[in-house]
Amino acid sequence: QEQLVESGGGVVQPGRSLRLSCAASGFAFRNYGMHWVRQAPGKGLEWVAVIWSDGDHKFYSDSVRGRFTFSRDNSKHTLSLQMNSLRAEDTAVYYCVKERGPFTAFDVWGQGTVVTVSS
Amino acid sequence: QSALTQPPSASGSPGQSVTISCTGTSSDVGGYNYVSWYQQHPGKAPKLMIYEVNKRPSGVPDRFSGSKSGNTASLTVSGLQAEDEADYYCNSYAGSNSWVFGGGTRLTVL
Repeated sequence: QEQLVESGGGVVQPGRSLRLSCAASGFAFRNYGMHWVRQAPGKGLEWVAVIWSDGDHKFYSDSVRGRFTFSRDNSKHTLSLQMNSLRAEDTAVYYCVKERGPFTAFDVWGQGTVVTVSS
Repeated sequence: QSALTQPPSASGSPGQSVTISCTGTSSDVGGYNYVSWYQQHPGKAPKLMIYEVNKRPSGVPDRFSGSKSGNTASLTVSGLQAEDEADYYCNSYAGSNSWVFGGGTRLTVL
C-alpha cells in the first residue's frame, strides 16, 4: 500500500542545520507532487513546502523560505528537506505528505519525525 | 498566508449531527474548489476525510460530508459515533503554490 516513512529528526541547537528524509513506496512516486507539513507541540497543522513531480519547481511558506530546501530523487523514491538556520519556532513534528492531485488535497501522510530546536 | 478560521471546539451526542465551519477569504476558500478536511486522533498522523469541497476518498464513511458557500466551507458529521472524537482541520489551496490550514476544531462526542 501507499506508504511514506520519514527519518532524520532530532534535537538541534538554534542556528544549526538538520536534514530530513522521506522514503516513498506503493505508488507511482514520479507522478505526484509532494509536501512537508508540520505541527508544533499542541498546535495545529502548518503547510511548509511543495515540490512538483518533476523536482524542478519548489515553493515554500513565508516562515521557512530562504532557510529550507526541498529536493527529491525520483529514481530512489526519496525526498529530502534541508533545514538551515533553525529557530525555536521550527520545533514540530514534520510530516511528509503525498498530493492526491495538483492543488487538491493531501491523501497519504507519513508517521512524522520530531524536530526539536533548543539550546 | 493567514490561517483559516475554525471554531476551537464542537460537540454532539451519539447519533446526532454536528457541523464545523472553516472561514477564509476570496483568495483561498472562496477562490478555489480545493478545500479538504482532515481528521487527527491524538498522537496520530492526519487522515484525509473530504477533498475538493465535497468528495469522499474511498473508505471514508458517508456520514462525513462537505460543502462550501462563498468564503466558508463546512464539514458535517452525521450519526456521530464515539470514534469520531478527534481534531478536525480544514485546508485550502491559496494560490501561487501555497496552501493554508485552519486552526483546528476539537470534536467531542458527549
